[in-house]
Amino acid sequence: EVQLVQSGAEVKKPGESLKISCKGSGYSFTSYWIGWVRQMPGKGLEWMGIIYPGDSDTRYSPSFQGQVTISADKSISTAYLQWSSLKASDTAMYYCARLYYDILTGYAYMDVWGKGTTVTVSS
Amino acid sequence: DIQLTQSPSFLSASVGDRVTITCRASQGISSYLAWYQQKPGKAPKLLIYAASTLQSGVPSRFSGSGSGTEFTLTISSLQPEDFATYYCQQLNSYPRGTFGPGTKVDIK
Repeated sequence: EVQLVQSGAEVKKPGESLKISCKGSGYSFTSYWIGWVRQMPGKGLEWMGIIYPGDSDTRYSPSFQGQVTISADKSISTAYLQWSSLKASDTAMYYCARLYYDILTGYAYMDVWGKGTTVTVSS
Repeated sequence: DIQLTQSPSFLSASVGDRVTITCRASQGISSYLAWYQQKPGKAPKLLIYAASTLQSGVPSRFSGSGSGTEFTLTISSLQPEDFATYYCQQLNSYPRGTFGPGTKVDIK
C-alpha cells in the first residue's frame, strides 16, 4: 500500500526550531516529488513547496521562500519541513502529499496524502 | 504567478441536488487542473485530474470539465457524504501547484 506517514503533533514556543517529517512507503520514494501544504485554522490549502528526493531539487512558493526549509533523506524515504524560528502565525496543520506525474500526458496531481501534522506555536 | 478563484465560496444544497462549482485561472492552464475534496479533520482527497479524469474509486456522480481558464466540478446528485469543502489546484506550473480558495458545500 502506498502511504505517507507524518510525524506527530507538536507544541512549541515562539522562537523555537522544529522539523517535521513525512515517511513514504509502498513505492519508489526517489521517483516522485513530495509537496508540503499548509492549512491554517479554518482556512484553505496553501502550497508551500516541493522536493524531488531523487536529487533534492526543491522549489518554494514565494510566500514561503526563506521562511521554511524543505529537505529529504532518500536513504530512509523521508521528507522534512523545518523552521529555524517559529512564530505564532505558523500555527497550522501541515500536510505532505505525493505528486504523481504522467510522463506520457504531462498531467500531474497529488494522489497520496499524509494525515497531517498539527503545529501549535504559543507562549 | 497563476491565481485561481472559485465560485461560490459557500453553497447550501439538499441531498439529491445537482451542484456545480466553478474554478477560474488568471491565465490559460490547458487542462492542468485537479479537484480535491476535504472533510473536516481529514486530509484532502483527489477526485479529478486533467480537468475531467475521475480518479480511481471516486463515484461517477462527480465529473469535471473545462480547459484554458474556466473549469467546473459537478456533483450530479448530492449525497450525505459529499458535504465537504472542494478545492481546485492548477499544475500548469509543474511541479508547482497553487490551490483555489475552496468552496464549502453545506446542508440546506
